[in-house]
Amino acid sequence: GAVVSQHPSRVICKSGTSVKIECRSLDFQATTMFWYRQFPKQSLMLMATSNEGSKATYEQGVEKDKFLINHASLTLSTLTVTSAHPEDSSFYICSANGYPGASTADTQYFGPGTRLTVL
Amino acid sequence: AQKVTQAQTEISVVEKEDVTLDCVYETRDTTYYLFWYKQPPSGELVFLIRRNSFDEQNEISGRYSWNFQKSTSSFNFTITASQVVDSAVYFCALHPDQAGTALIFGKGTTLSVSS
Repeated sequence: GAVVSQHPSRVICKSGTSVKIECRSLDFQATTMFWYRQFPKQSLMLMATSNEGSKATYEQGVEKDKFLINHASLTLSTLTVTSAHPEDSSFYICSANGYPGASTADTQYFGPGTRLTVL
Repeated sequence: AQKVTQAQTEISVVEKEDVTLDCVYETRDTTYYLFWYKQPPSGELVFLIRRNSFDEQNEISGRYSWNFQKSTSSFNFTITASQVVDSAVYFCALHPDQAGTALIFGKGTTLSVSS
């Protein structure tokens, strides 16, 4: 089956530092990857949609300069939280869709998530 | 507007009870997909089922069953003979018929099964 990995699974950093989270589709090519954020006891909130080779589309209220997304290849997207602050502490989850027409096209495959704690 | 409503925020049952988690959705698309995911305390989303809008057959998988009723825009999920390991947050989600779009999630239902 289609597998999506995320790295790191957990990160603790100091306020003001930047943190990079990687999302990889391991056995399929992902034309589109999505980044979600989930606060405790809440649902997943879509942050941005990224397509390989183009700029990410951010949801309203998400600062594109703070949450930098790069989708440089068909199997890798990265989310960089710049100048992280305690309010950025959250669970970040990525997901990926395969090419239209492929067996992986109609289902989003989720990564295991990254728990970010900013001190 | 496209929307998923899970009216039950929290449900508590005792082991071996049956429990139904409700999901109501709104969409104007004629083609769409519905999903259920389980999120245990570890946080990883576990895919349970995908149903497309043209397939109204109910599905059973072990202790899990799903009832899709297009007439009421509902996609309810029943766990029979619940177990402690079923304790988790369950999300219902809608995928519009548009390539490259994200899932629209409900707010989730927290199920607690006690022994």
